[in-house]
Amino acid sequence: DADVTQTPRNRITKTGKRIMLECSQTKGHDRMYWYRQDPGLGLQLIYYSFDVKDINKGEISDGYSVSRQAQAKFSLSLESAIPNQTALYFCATSNNIMAGELFFGEGSRLTVL
Amino acid sequence: GENVEQHPSTLSVQEGDSAVIKCTYSDSASNYFPWYKQELGKGPQLIIDIRSNVGEKKDQRIAVTLNKTAKHFSLHITETQPEDSAVYFCAASLQAAGNKLTFGGGTRVLVKP
Repeated sequence: DADVTQTPRNRITKTGKRIMLECSQTKGHDRMYWYRQDPGLGLQLIYYSFDVKDINKGEISDGYSVSRQAQAKFSLSLESAIPNQTALYFCATSNNIMAGELFFGEGSRLTVL
Repeated sequence: GENVEQHPSTLSVQEGDSAVIKCTYSDSASNYFPWYKQELGKGPQLIIDIRSNVGEKKDQRIAVTLNKTAKHFSLHITETQPEDSAVYFCAASLQAAGNKLTFGGGTRVLVKP
């Protein structure tokens, strides 16, 4: 089983719908992240959490919200999806206070029509 | 904020040849530079990283060089093999900021047999 699991892996939805992407991890890491990947733009940080009571905005947080339900679970929500939120979304974890390795899930591909 | 540019966006090499990917960064305070490899349908995976107190680091067929004065760093893959075909991302961050990485746009490497 994967250490970082994302659900769903693929989702097609319509403009205006609420969408939740879920991430769970078995690595025991405190730090969790949500990234968005668009072709040619690399990965952009949406939100990150350093522990259960800590939530921080990344560089592109507008239109997104997150919930850290437990150490192992970090969910990303799109309250009212729009077409330019069509992208590949990755959850990642780390156990480093200083910069170190990020462990990524396999991604959730979201299409907003 | 930090800005990371990565070149080329695509790279095709013959099996056995070398591949070089270059990145530049804008924030002179950045001191942690990882490289991630993303295979088709998978999340990115760390392959090598370098911190600003060293100029070069090697791990078997891959090496990374860092020029802090010029604010650029490069990934070198020698004796390329078909399994090196993937998308490669460079990134930069300040170590004390944890893993708030700024990624480059990615390089798609194709190794032709």
